[in-house]
Amino acid sequence: DAGVTQSPTHLIKTRGQQVTLRCSPKSGHDTVSWYQQALGQGPQFIFQYYEEEERQRGNFPDRFSGHQFPNYSSELNVNALLLGDSALYLCASSLRTGYEQYFGPGTRLTVT
Amino acid sequence: AQSVTQPDIHITVSEGASLELRCNYSYGATPYLFWYVQSPGQGLQLLLKYFSGDTLVQGIKGFEAEFKRSQSSFNLRKPSVHWSDAAEYFCAVGLTFTGGGNKLTFGTGTQLKVEL
Repeated sequence: DAGVTQSPTHLIKTRGQQVTLRCSPKSGHDTVSWYQQALGQGPQFIFQYYEEEERQRGNFPDRFSGHQFPNYSSELNVNALLLGDSALYLCASSLRTGYEQYFGPGTRLTVT
Repeated sequence: AQSVTQPDIHITVSEGASLELRCNYSYGATPYLFWYVQSPGQGLQLLLKYFSGDTLVQGIKGFEAEFKRSQSSFNLRKPSVHWSDAAEYFCAVGLTFTGGGNKLTFGTGTQLKVEL
């Protein structure tokens, strides 16, 4: 049973650039959430997708956007990158009706 | 708004000793509570969860946690720590949304070091 997968593992970008991160949920899950984990901090909720729509959003600017595909996989897009966007980006999957979220290994984004 | 406090940033224990990691939460309703573990460079692994019922919950790797409503706490315990338990531990509270879906609010984590 494949768990949550994310790609790429690491990414280095320059300020002002745009980045796309990808996530495939655990088999059977229909909901994907994205979290940002800055160094030394706990993960912060960015947004959640199900039925191909953004349903809930945390306190992040519009530079952060996403998409969910019919197969439930998801993308996180960040535009106009800032140095402060450097973090580990975690994808979590769950059932819309469930309470447990299962996390992928994350994508380490470095903005220079 | 819900919040989670983990008072201990770093904890060091000897292998074989008992462990207790503290977690306090602020939430207006009955909380859904979780403990996750994160090894260096890795994602989060769910250790255990509390939704309702018995306030002492068992998890993987020999961990347990006790929900105490009167103290707004959900402390994680292990009777005998193994060197492989060295990692960062996060407590989280779950908020469910009307119409479905939920989000997790995490504490800042406790870094556990195990001395051999």
